[in-house]
Amino acid sequence: GDSVTQTEGPVTVSESESLIINCTYSATSIAYPNLFWYVRYPGEGLQLLLKVITAGQKGSSRGFEATYNKETTSFHLQKASVQESDSAVYYCALGGASSSFSKLVFGQGTSLSVVP
Amino acid sequence: ETAVFQTPNYHVTQVGNEVSFNCKQTLGHDTMYWYKQDSKKLLKIMFSYNNKQLIVNETVPRRFSPQSSDKAHLNLRIKSVEPEDSAVYLCASSYGTGGGETLYFGSGTRLTVL
Repeated sequence: GDSVTQTEGPVTVSESESLIINCTYSATSIAYPNLFWYVRYPGEGLQLLLKVITAGQKGSSRGFEATYNKETTSFHLQKASVQESDSAVYYCALGGASSSFSKLVFGQGTSLSVVP
Repeated sequence: ETAVFQTPNYHVTQVGNEVSFNCKQTLGHDTMYWYKQDSKKLLKIMFSYNNKQLIVNETVPRRFSPQSSDKAHLNLRIKSVEPEDSAVYLCASSYGTGGGETLYFGSGTRLTVL
């Protein structure tokens, strides 16, 4: 079936250091996957961070970037310099082709703590 | 700014009881969802409705039943809860049904079954 695997947490990073959270996917029933990063900040609901629906494209938001790599079936989340406010749980997700009824398949989530 | 509202935030009950969770969205979206987040933090879809019509029904026990009165409301009823139903239930909505849609989530309902 379709699945998403991401970096096991928790992850602790010092402020101003770089970050990468790995995400790989398997889309056995989806011909043209769409890829997402969702984030849950403390005390808030799950919300979209960024999405990319075309292979080879890069999405960015709040200083985070992720490139949709169809060859390696990856969608790693990166940030050059993290801040304490980036502390949250990050979820990579896989969706079906835009023209079809579909559902999101989520990874297990990666808890990130940014320390001073 | 919250636009998907879930009630209650928490619910504690005993095995065999019936529970109902409510969800309302004020975004004018056509599609609503119920997701379950288990103790391992795994998020899995349970149901999806588009304009009050059920379009996604994953393999969930029959004691779970969604109810939609209009496209802005999607409730979830669980008849005779079991211990494994303890989880966080997340409601979400989206404008359409395509795989590229952005989902907007509520804050969740945490169910504890004793």
